[in-house]
Amino acid sequence: RKEVEQDPGPFNVPEGATVAFNCTYSNSASQSFFWYRQDCRKEPKLLMSVYSSGNEDGRFTAQLNRASQYISLLIRDSKLSDSATYLCVVPGGGTSYGKLTFGQGTILTVHP
Amino acid sequence: NAGVMQNPRHLVRRRGQEARLRCSPMKGHSHVYWYRQLPEEGLKFMVYLQKENIIDESGMPKERFSAEFPKEGPSILRIQQVVRGDSAAYFCASSPLRTGVDNEQFFGPGTRLTVL
Repeated sequence: RKEVEQDPGPFNVPEGATVAFNCTYSNSASQSFFWYRQDCRKEPKLLMSVYSSGNEDGRFTAQLNRASQYISLLIRDSKLSDSATYLCVVPGGGTSYGKLTFGQGTILTVHP
Repeated sequence: NAGVMQNPRHLVRRRGQEARLRCSPMKGHSHVYWYRQLPEEGLKFMVYLQKENIIDESGMPKERFSAEFPKEGPSILRIQQVVRGDSAAYFCASSPLRTGVDNEQFFGPGTRLTVL
């Protein structure tokens, strides 16, 4: 299993749609997780952190299933400005504590 | 509070030349991380540094690449004798503490290296 694996996408959805992205990770010792978004040719920016079973911030909900080593991101009422690549990110453990491992990313395009 | 700063934003080098990429972390941050993003690929960890120390360089290529974070001044990622395969976006990130439950890494705008 890859360290972090995401839905390959791309996702093309109309404004107002609900869309969900999935991510699986291999390191069962990981305690916290992140979703970052990356706009074209820009730096990644933190969208949400997930420490317990889940986290909600406005239209965005992240859920964590430790038993299945699975993280999801749900976006409700999609906006055109949500178009970006969404990155599932897992911090390293042990001696690699500072390292972030990124998934390949899922491309989302929201159209009018 | 200025964010993470990287320069240059764009760097063009010919094969065999040296590339030096600079990163100034956010004020108050003492942990610096370098990542590389090859065209059409995800970000890959390269190295994690604190002031004057390399903590984890497990992602650094064995040859031609080095990194430092001196007591004074920015962190430097140095690539000697560049090859076309080094063309990529290099992102620097910083954090106040090592990444864990209560903090995240903040990314700079990146340096786009093109090797001709």
